[in-house]
Amino acid sequence: IVLTQSPGTLSLSPGEGATLYCTASQDVSAGYLAWYQQKPGQAPRLLVYGASTRATGIPDRFRGSGSGTDFTLTITRLEPEDFAVYYCHQSESSSWTFGPGTQVEIK
Amino acid sequence: QVQLQESGPGLVKPSQTLSLTCTVSGASIRDYRWTWIRQFPGKGLEWIGYNHYGQNILYNPSLGSRVDISVDKSKSQFSLTLTSVTAADTAIYYCARLEYYDSSGRRRPRFDYWGQGALVTVAS
Repeated sequence: IVLTQSPGTLSLSPGEGATLYCTASQDVSAGYLAWYQQKPGQAPRLLVYGASTRATGIPDRFRGSGSGTDFTLTITRLEPEDFAVYYCHQSESSSWTFGPGTQVEIK
Repeated sequence: QVQLQESGPGLVKPSQTLSLTCTVSGASIRDYRWTWIRQFPGKGLEWIGYNHYGQNILYNPSLGSRVDISVDKSKSQFSLTLTSVTAADTAIYYCARLEYYDSSGRRRPRFDYWGQGALVTVAS
């Protein structure tokens, strides 16, 4: 299953909202879609799993949604620490894959 | 607090074998699936595979028979072996814990704890 993320780069200001998209080449059951955040020089960090369940300690400004082939990560109001790269990941098939990432940068 | 730490050579010659070890603290090696993920210089992420205490093992088919992930039952460690490496295997290698179920017993795979990553360069 190939995951496509859009946009490739999102240029926004702190306080603005962000909507990130992840599109799968085949249906992915919602339970098998997760989102990760990565900052420079750090390992990825789990944000959302099961398409919509926030991981422990993740603030509620991060919201995951979607089903089938279309999934969304919404950040309702960007904080300075949210500027990073975001990856979606599917574990539906026997060959798990990541999307190419969306970079959220400061405008 | 769960912590993972990768260790191993940072430079491997082409055609040789890449070997990395991940040391786990704060969690029982028996109770979880343990996985390796790599990140290429262009930043793309690739899942390599996981091992659940030898009982349940799954590898990325794209790596074929080159990959092996083993769990040391006497230590809190698991390892990655990748044979016949080429420059295309140059990457940061992360070990991670794979939490497979949620609190209701539903399958919800996710990588909830990660090591800091180990850069492995394949070059002569």
